[in-house]
Amino acid sequence: AQSVSQHNHHVILSEAASLELGCNYSYGGTVNLFWYVQYPGQHLQLLLKYFSGDPLVKGIKGFEAEFIKSKFSFNLRKPSVQWSDTAEYFCAVTSTAAGNKLTFGGGTRVLVKP
Amino acid sequence: GAGVSQSPSNKVTEKGKDVELRCDPISGHTALYWYRQSLGQGLEFLIYFQGNSAPDKSGLPSDRFSAERTGGSVSTLTIQRTQQEDSAVYLCASSLSLASYTGELFFGEGSRLTVL
Repeated sequence: AQSVSQHNHHVILSEAASLELGCNYSYGGTVNLFWYVQYPGQHLQLLLKYFSGDPLVKGIKGFEAEFIKSKFSFNLRKPSVQWSDTAEYFCAVTSTAAGNKLTFGGGTRVLVKP
Repeated sequence: GAGVSQSPSNKVTEKGKDVELRCDPISGHTALYWYRQSLGQGLEFLIYFQGNSAPDKSGLPSDRFSAERTGGSVSTLTIQRTQQEDSAVYLCASSLSLASYTGELFFGEGSRLTVL
């Protein structure tokens, strides 16, 4: 079945540590890939997106993600996190093979300790 | 306001009752999505509307769920004969076009539904 998988449900780390959140998808066809973030008490917002071109995508707040087509992955990274990065992060995919609806992974809760 | 507006923000109902949740998208946005966010379950796609095209209802979990979008703007999600498993936050999002084209959905704050 077509799906989006985020392997880590909870991540706890200290400020200045590096962050990497995994995302894998199982869609065929042409895919577009996204990371959304939900800060505590706020609504979901777009962090970054990949449509085509350079597979290394830079987003807001120092985040980046790399699309590796052969691995069906779109992992999110940040070299040095801050307390304000505490949030829930969602990977999402659209696929021409799945009717173009935006499908989300289960989310990863990230807690950054000051 | 400039954002996606949802109402009510909180709804407590008894099992078996019908509920209506409303979404007012950003003006000019042709695409409108409904998602359900349950604790520990991520976001579950329910339905989307795009312009005058037939909606994609493939995510609606049962025939108790329905949604309509009047005049290409405001949308109402209706849940009939609510069950306890319907308890969740229902999120609405809009975008200029389908996410596959524009890449960004603008989400509302959600409507938290609790079925007793």
